This record gives sequence, C-alpha cells and structure tokens, in this order.
Amino acid sequence: KNQVEQSPQSLIILEGKNCTLQCNYTVSPFSNLRWYKQDTGRGPVSLTIMTFSENTKSNGRYTATLDADTKQSSLHITASQLSDSASYICVVSAGGYNKLIFGAGTRLAVHP
Amino acid sequence: DADVTQTPRNRITKTGKRIMLECSQTKGHDRMYWYRQDPGLGLRLIYYSFDVKDINKGEISDGYSVSRQAQAKFSLSLESAIPNQTALYFCATSGETGSSTEAFFGQGTRLTVV
Repeated sequence: KNQVEQSPQSLIILEGKNCTLQCNYTVSPFSNLRWYKQDTGRGPVSLTIMTFSENTKSNGRYTATLDADTKQSSLHITASQLSDSASYICVVSAGGYNKLIFGAGTRLAVHP
Repeated sequence: DADVTQTPRNRITKTGKRIMLECSQTKGHDRMYWYRQDPGLGLRLIYYSFDVKDINKGEISDGYSVSRQAQAKFSLSLESAIPNQTALYFCATSGETGSSTEAFFGQGTRLTVV
C-alpha cells in the first residue's frame, strides 16, 4: 500500500533555531517527492520538488534531502522565524497529479 | 487576486442538504482537482479533470459529484450531505507537462455538516 509517514507530528522550537522534519515513504512507482508549507486556514504552497536523481534541493532557508534507496526525505529549516509556524506536508508522486500520496504533515510552532 | 479561488470559504449545512463548492482559476491550466483534508490525515483526492470533457473519480468519490463548466471552473457537489463529510476541501490546478509540474491550491472551504 502506498503510504507517506511524517515525523514528528508536531514540534515546538524557539525563534532562530534550526529543525529537521522527516518523511518516510513506501510509494511505487516513485516519480518525485514534494514538500509543501500550509499556513493555518490556507492551501498548501510548494517549497521543493525532487526527482529520483536529486539528493538535495534548497529554497532559501529550507533544504530538502532525498535518499531514494532508503525511501526517506528530510526538510531542514535554518534560523527559524515566527512565520515558519505552519504545517509541512511531504507528498510523493506515483506518476501524476492523480497519483499524489500526501503525508499527514508536521505541525511546526516557532516561539519567540 | 488569488490564482485559485474557492467559494464559499466557510459553510455550515444540515444533514441531507445539497451543497455546491465552487472553484475558479486564472492560471490557464487544463487540469483541476478536488481534495479533502481531515485532521491527522493527508489530503485525499475526490475527483479530478484533465480538460473540460474529462471527469475522473479519485480515491474517495462516493457521496460527491463534480461539474467542469469551463476550463476555469470546477465545482464539487454533495448531493445529500452527511456529518462525516465535515472537512476542509481544497481545489487545485496544474499544468500538463509532466508530473513535476507545479500544483496550485485554493485557500480551502471549511464545510461543517450538522
């Protein structure tokens, strides 16, 4: 069964600190892996998209890694800001937009 | 203005009522999708459409129907709402070129069925 599992479910960090969110998946066939940020009351917004051959991709203070052998991905946030408070969703594509498998998300709270 | 607009943003309805959620987009995309999001679960695909004449069931289509009135408009209907359809609903659009194409989500419709 295609699944995407994220950990932790929730995380609280202090402003300025770094954090890493984890994503494990069992999706076949694998097409690409995406990380989305979802602010409360809003739709998800894409942070990164990585294909099988990409190991790392950055978007400002966000850096995603992908290990296709172990089927794991991580999202590292550097020097966190209050505006980083949101849910972060890992999404794996099994071949198209009708085949996106969404994780349940990690809810991050950044406190001053 | 938002690229993907959903109306209404919030709705409370009674069990058994028919309700329509509307989505319009200015991205010029052919592909549109309806998802629902429940607490503790990932988004799940309800229906999708790759062009005006194309409608496909997603993972959880039972109890829902859709209409693609135009390239820019994709509506989701609950013919007879039930409480377990209480959820956050998202419309999304994407371009055609390959699975790495970006998807754009609306701001969501929070539906409560009482």
